[in-house]
Amino acid sequence: DTAVSQTPKYLVTQMGNDKSIKCEQNLGHDTMYWYKQDSKKFLKIMFSYNNKELIINETVPNRFSPKSPDKAHLNLHINSLELGDSAVYFCASSQERRNTEAFFGQGTRLTVV
Amino acid sequence: AQSVTQLDSQVPVFEEAPVELRCNYSSSVSVYLFWYVQYPNQGLQLLLKYLSGSTLVKGINGFEAEFNKSQTSFHLRKPSVHISDTAEYFCAVSASFGNQFYFGTGTSLTVIP
Repeated sequence: DTAVSQTPKYLVTQMGNDKSIKCEQNLGHDTMYWYKQDSKKFLKIMFSYNNKELIINETVPNRFSPKSPDKAHLNLHINSLELGDSAVYFCASSQERRNTEAFFGQGTRLTVV
Repeated sequence: AQSVTQLDSQVPVFEEAPVELRCNYSSSVSVYLFWYVQYPNQGLQLLLKYLSGSTLVKGINGFEAEFNKSQTSFHLRKPSVHISDTAEYFCAVSASFGNQFYFGTGTSLTVIP
C-alpha cells in the first residue's frame, strides 16, 4: 500500500493551460505539504495544510491554489501555466507534534512547453 | 526559523571508500534532524533521524550520523560505499514543537567503480 500517492507522475502541457495534481495519504497524518524541486534539485516548500487549514503559504504566485477536501487529500491546482513552472512537485505528509518525519510521494514531473 | 546548509554540492568517491556528507543547521529552538536520500526519478526516502538521546544515529543501508549540538552539525557517514549509494542526499531540520521541514540544497553523491 502506497503511503503518499500523487497523480499524475508525468504531466506535459502547453503554456497558458490549467492543470491539477492530486495527492492522497493513507497514514492518518494531519499535516500535508507541497514542495517544488527545481532543476538544481533544490526543495522549496510551497504550502502546508494542517487539518484542512492552510498554515504555510510561502511566496508562491497566486496562480497556484491548494485545495484540501479532507485530511487525507491535498490537491494542487495551477492556472495559466508558465515555462518557469516546469519542475518536480512533491507532496508529503507528517503528524504534528509527533516524532515523525515527513513522508513523500513519488513526485509529479511537470513540463510546460 | 530554521535553516540548513549542506557544504558540498557534489561528492565523488570510489567504491568501498568511506564518505562523509556535511550538514550544518541554524535554529534558536530545539530541533529534530533528518537525512533523506533521493534516487534518480524517485521521491525522498528517510535514511535516519535524530530526535533526542544518543547523538549517534544509525539508519538504513549502513549509514549513520552524529548530532553535534555545539557545532550545530549533523554529518552523514558511511564506512564503505557501494555503487547503489549514488543518489542525492538531503539534510532537513524541523522545530521540535512544530511541523515545518526545511531542507538543505542537497549533496550529489557519485560512487565511482
